[in-house]
Amino acid sequence: AQRVTQPEKLLSVFKGAPVELKCNYSYSGSPELFWYVQYSRQRLQLLLRHISRESIKGFTADLNKGETSFHLKKPFAQEEDSAMYYCALMKETSGSRLTFGEGTQLTVNP
Amino acid sequence: DAGVTQSPTHLIKTRGQQVTLRCSPKSGHDTVSWYQQALGQGPQFIFQYYEEEERQRGNFPDRFSGHQFPNYSSELNVNALLLGDSALYLCASSLWGAGEQFFGPGTRLTVL
Repeated sequence: AQRVTQPEKLLSVFKGAPVELKCNYSYSGSPELFWYVQYSRQRLQLLLRHISRESIKGFTADLNKGETSFHLKKPFAQEEDSAMYYCALMKETSGSRLTFGEGTQLTVNP
Repeated sequence: DAGVTQSPTHLIKTRGQQVTLRCSPKSGHDTVSWYQQALGQGPQFIFQYYEEEERQRGNFPDRFSGHQFPNYSSELNVNALLLGDSALYLCASSLWGAGEQFFGPGTRLTVL
């Protein structure tokens, strides 16, 4: 069965510092990977997906199939980036069913 | 478009009772998925509905059942509630086969 692991439950950085949220997955096929974000008192929303290869709010994520990772990165963190971040996997045959990691709470300090 | 809407916002039930949660998908979407999010955990997939049929199911007991209506809205029913069913229940809508899902605000269920 597929699995998504986010090794850090909590991550704290200072404003302007680089940030990397780790995501590893286990699945033998060709999955699609996503990062979802939940800001305080807001609903879960899509931040980015690997197939679009876009940079959203300065965040990027590269799918590394060799290391089965999909780490989320931003070179200069902002206070408004403080939120809960979830990595999610969709199997190629799953009809949009998502498997989520446990999430990383990012806090950006002033 | 209000996006995905869910009702009620909060619900308190006692063990053994039954509960029904409701979801209206984003305009234009035809697929509804339900997730359970326990405190401190990521969302876990319960099941998915498309064309009024359950298409996929996660590792949840038969006490969890659902329905999709012709207007694409959906209900999640949980029978014989257990304390462990206390969680945030999220509804997500999408187009069938599309990767991006749009989430509702959730229904917070507390079982006493």
